Amino acid sequence: QVQLVESGGGVVQPGRSLRLSCTASGFTFSSYGMHWVRQAPGKGLEWVTIISYDGSNERYAASVKGRFTISRDNSKNTLYLQMNSLRAEDTAVYYCAKDRGYYYDTTGLAYVMDVWGQGTTVTVSS
Amino acid sequence: DIQMTQSPSSLSASVGDRVTITCRASQSVSSYLNWYQQIPGKAPNLLIFGASSLHSGVPSRFSGSGSGTDFTLTISSLKPEDFATYYCQQSYSTPPTFGQGTKVEIK
Repeated sequence: QVQLVESGGGVVQPGRSLRLSCTASGFTFSSYGMHWVRQAPGKGLEWVTIISYDGSNERYAASVKGRFTISRDNSKNTLYLQMNSLRAEDTAVYYCAKDRGYYYDTTGLAYVMDVWGQGTTVTVSS
Repeated sequence: DIQMTQSPSSLSASVGDRVTITCRASQSVSSYLNWYQQIPGKAPNLLIFGASSLHSGVPSRFSGSGSGTDFTLTISSLKPEDFATYYCQQSYSTPPTFGQGTKVEIK
């Protein structure tokens, strides 16, 4: 079945770095854009970043631009999120999500998240 | 950025009730409006995309309508497993933005 599994979360001090991973299975990973979405404790959903199917196109939320980098390794069916200069306000559950694409072009970026991982928790605290 | 505002923020309802949640965009998003359900402690799940298209596997008691700035999610007859938080999200422009959520609680 279609599945996304995140890993790499943990407790980290402000200013430090962390790398999250998301391993995909059950679909052709290399044909779809992928997102990271986060949810601070007790809060709503916040989109973080997206990467195109081939890694050639990336977009970021203003709150993380210049600090976070999304990447992917299609040979390993894995998505990454490199998080640098972490701040307390980055504390959240981080979800990876598959972009739905379009019925006529799965590689297109529809910004609709149709499959989600279970999430990994990042806590930024001294 | 486009702001999404949901109402109400929470509601209490009984099994079998018809429930309606509203989402308003700060500018037109055409029909690029999606709805997600999040059960406590779980990841969100896509319910509706393109304002009114039901995602695969989603029960037909869920429906969506609207275009432009005003949208509605309707649950025709509430079931116990529907008690959750619902989010709207616009996919018209980057960054995609979510509403603040509507929590549906048991009456």
